[in-house]
Amino acid sequence: QSALTQPPSASGSPGQSVTISCTGTSSDVGGYNYVSWYQQHPGKAPKLMIYEVTKRPSGVPDRFSGSKSGNTASLTVSELQAEDEADYYCSSYAGSNTLGVFGGGTKLTVL
Amino acid sequence: EVQVLESGGGLVQPGGSLRLSCAASGFTFSSCAMTWVRQAPGKGLEWVSGVSSSGGGTYYADSVKGRFTISRDNSKNTLYLQMNSLRAEDTAIYYCAKFLWSGRTFDYWGQGTLVTVSS
Repeated sequence: QSALTQPPSASGSPGQSVTISCTGTSSDVGGYNYVSWYQQHPGKAPKLMIYEVTKRPSGVPDRFSGSKSGNTASLTVSELQAEDEADYYCSSYAGSNTLGVFGGGTKLTVL
Repeated sequence: EVQVLESGGGLVQPGGSLRLSCAASGFTFSSCAMTWVRQAPGKGLEWVSGVSSSGGGTYYADSVKGRFTISRDNSKNTLYLQMNSLRAEDTAIYYCAKFLWSGRTFDYWGQGTLVTVSS
């Protein structure tokens, strides 16, 4: 149950795009199309932004998109806005007895 | 509106026990898997435990297996986490999260309850 690997930080200016990566193994990210992304503002609960690699829950702006290639998943935030500044975590299903394994988190800074 | 509200956190000595509760509303609780996810101070998220909709299936992270027990009471729309033999490294905010089985994702989260293990 090793954690997924994310860069500790990412940044971009308002209006730009930024991509955050999430690397796992063939036992989690690479083995299932069950990658999710969560946004967490300081002192708040995480919020689901992307699930099943590319799907957006109702209410999540289409500026947020997900993709996957092999053992690495990515979250892209387009047209960056100040309110996008937050911590972002990826997770992946990892088999019948492990409902989720998380990445270490990426702090997104909007410059 | 889906809501989950955790309670039961607090300060406990190493080796002690604590039971967390999570009251759910706004969805058919008895049809949904539920989970606990924790976050140590200043750290990332860690999945802790999950339970199937009926309660018949339970799942645990290696770090808590044998010490924590997840359960649910569908008549009360409530999820529980019994935590025994607590260690300093169990100190964290514990979040209750609804688990969307079809998407293998944690789709709704509570605000969390803080558990501090310290002498």
